[in-house]
Amino acid sequence: GNSVTQMEGPVTLSEEAFLTINCTYTATGYPSLFWYVQYPGEGLQLLLKATKADDKGSNKGFEATYRKETTSFHLEKGSVQVSDSAVYFCALSDNNAGNMLTFGGGTRLMVKP
Amino acid sequence: SQTIHQWPATLVQPVGSPLSLECTVEGTSNPNLYWYRQAAGRGLQLLFYSVGIGQISSEVPQNLSASRPQDRQFILSSKKLLLSDSGFYLCAWSVGGGYNEQFFGPGTRLTVL
Repeated sequence: GNSVTQMEGPVTLSEEAFLTINCTYTATGYPSLFWYVQYPGEGLQLLLKATKADDKGSNKGFEATYRKETTSFHLEKGSVQVSDSAVYFCALSDNNAGNMLTFGGGTRLMVKP
Repeated sequence: SQTIHQWPATLVQPVGSPLSLECTVEGTSNPNLYWYRQAAGRGLQLLFYSVGIGQISSEVPQNLSASRPQDRQFILSSKKLLLSDSGFYLCAWSVGGGYNEQFFGPGTRLTVL
């Protein structure tokens, strides 16, 4: 079956530091890949997505590139802010009729001023 | 544009009491609908999903049930709550088929005492 593995957190950074959150996946075929962000006490928001190999998703300064050869979709941001403190989830969706997502366990990011 | 609503936002219930959480989606037709539970500091657990009115698939056997009485309404219920039912309940929707993202509601925080 499908699986998504994320680096365990928490990740603690100072403001303006470079961020990388690793995500690797196992799936048959060519899934779509997503990053979601969850701020404290809120639901998940779609941050970015990529639907085919070598696609780069980007939003709010965050980027992730769909790497088929390494089955990875690492999230990066050049300069984090305190407001980026949240939990980040990597997920995939393949060709299933229910469009169910397979989620990673989530990575908590804490950015200190 | 599409919006998803959940209510109540927070709920405190005694052990053994019934539960009804409601989710509605606006601005789309025939969505797939999902119920997730998130325990404190943990990842997402898919509880139920539905691809149409009256069609419910259960992912985890437990004392919870789901119903879809209308196209854009999804209800999560229990006849008798357990302490272990405490958590953050998230509703989500997507378009049909695979490879698509899901969109999440704001969540309901349930505390069972």
